[in-house]
Amino acid sequence: GAGVSQSPSNKVTEKGKDVELRCDPISGHTALYWYRQSLGQGLEFLIYFQGNSAPDKSGLPSDRFSAERTGGSVSTLTIQRTQQEDSAVYLCASSPEAGYKGYEQYFGPGTRLTVT
Amino acid sequence: AQSVAQPEDQVNVAEGNPLTVKCTYSVSGNPYLFWYVQYPNRGLQFLLKYITGDNLVKGSYGFEAEFNKSQTSFHLKKPSALVSDSALYFCAVRDTYSSASKIIFGSGTRLSIRP
Repeated sequence: GAGVSQSPSNKVTEKGKDVELRCDPISGHTALYWYRQSLGQGLEFLIYFQGNSAPDKSGLPSDRFSAERTGGSVSTLTIQRTQQEDSAVYLCASSPEAGYKGYEQYFGPGTRLTVT
Repeated sequence: AQSVAQPEDQVNVAEGNPLTVKCTYSVSGNPYLFWYVQYPNRGLQFLLKYITGDNLVKGSYGFEAEFNKSQTSFHLKKPSALVSDSALYFCAVRDTYSSASKIIFGSGTRLSIRP
């Protein structure tokens, strides 16, 4: 079946511009996560959506970052006034967590963001 | 609060030798523990997990991990390393104490297998 998809796969933008990154989770997965990975390093948690609950935004690095999830499915991560330090690979993952928290995550291929 | 640590940035092993990638965690309740692998220029793939039951869990590609509650560890192991095992490995944990808890990842360990 279809996995997690992300678009675009690559994005080059100028400093100060806004960007939107999209994630399509696996159908039926209630949980969706965004992570950031710099230069093949660790995964930095950004935000977590679970069903209709309020999202856990504790990992967003600044108020320039925001995310929404429409209809419990597609999610968009928006970075306003991009800075060079925002350059990274942004990863999305989904999981069928409703009622049980032991499921593994399924990751998308990521969006490589380069801010020039 | 929950946390997970991978104390080694890099592990180097000769092909055919056993390998261990270390992971320790801290949670308030009981942990759900996961290992993921990231091959070069590819996405993260799930390897194995511990939820409950037998402390030794087996996963993909011949990997296994042992849950040790007293040492709060979940080390990844393989009896005989292959060059193709060279990749970035991540340990992850979820604390079952809170229904609102999320999965968090360690900083990753780069495994390099030399021929």
